[in-house]
Amino acid sequence: ETGVTQTPRHLVMGMTNKKSLKCEQHLGHNAMYWYKQSAKKPLELMFVYSLEERVENNSVPSRFSPECPNSSHLFLHLHTLQPEDSALYLCASSQGREGAGGYTFGSGTRLTVV
Amino acid sequence: GNSVTQMEGPVTLSEEAFLTINCTYTATGYPSLFWYVQYPGEGLQLLLKATKADDKGSNKGFEATYRKETTSFHLEKGSVQVSDSAVYFCALRENTGFQKLVFGTGTRLLVSP
Repeated sequence: ETGVTQTPRHLVMGMTNKKSLKCEQHLGHNAMYWYKQSAKKPLELMFVYSLEERVENNSVPSRFSPECPNSSHLFLHLHTLQPEDSALYLCASSQGREGAGGYTFGSGTRLTVV
Repeated sequence: GNSVTQMEGPVTLSEEAFLTINCTYTATGYPSLFWYVQYPGEGLQLLLKATKADDKGSNKGFEATYRKETTSFHLEKGSVQVSDSAVYFCALRENTGFQKLVFGTGTRLLVSP
């Protein structure tokens, strides 16, 4: 148990579908992150939330829409995705903006867009 | 901008061999440095870290020393096991702005019996 739980673990969706990824942490952390991990590419930071406020959005296409309703939950809403969006989506959390203890990652959601 | 460069993989070793995975970084100021490990089907786990020059991080037999003069943070283990097979990520934490983590591309380690 890593302390950060992501659901679902696997997701297959068509390009016209709408789905959501969920991330939950009960570590008392106040910053949460979405990363995209594609084969043979560096981890890509997508969004950062600090105290439920989005503080960074790295030019992510609008077909990805994050939501952070409270400090324990983070969602990634997906719609009209493309096959190149297939990847492992990782959620992480940290305590404080500086993440002094490093980040705690979830196990990820393996997304396949068909 | 800040960046991390890791050696290309996969690194293939026999059990009990010595491991080195090279990592160098480019950053302004003095970042903190980390090694993360990702086992198959899992997320990333923090393996070790160092927060200032000449610090040595260690955990589970792995070690890495923060070398400011060579901007390096190479990961070493004296005797690897099959269970060490995983992908290893070097990362730095920026010390300006939001201080987010910047990752390398990862190095896959394969250890055979």
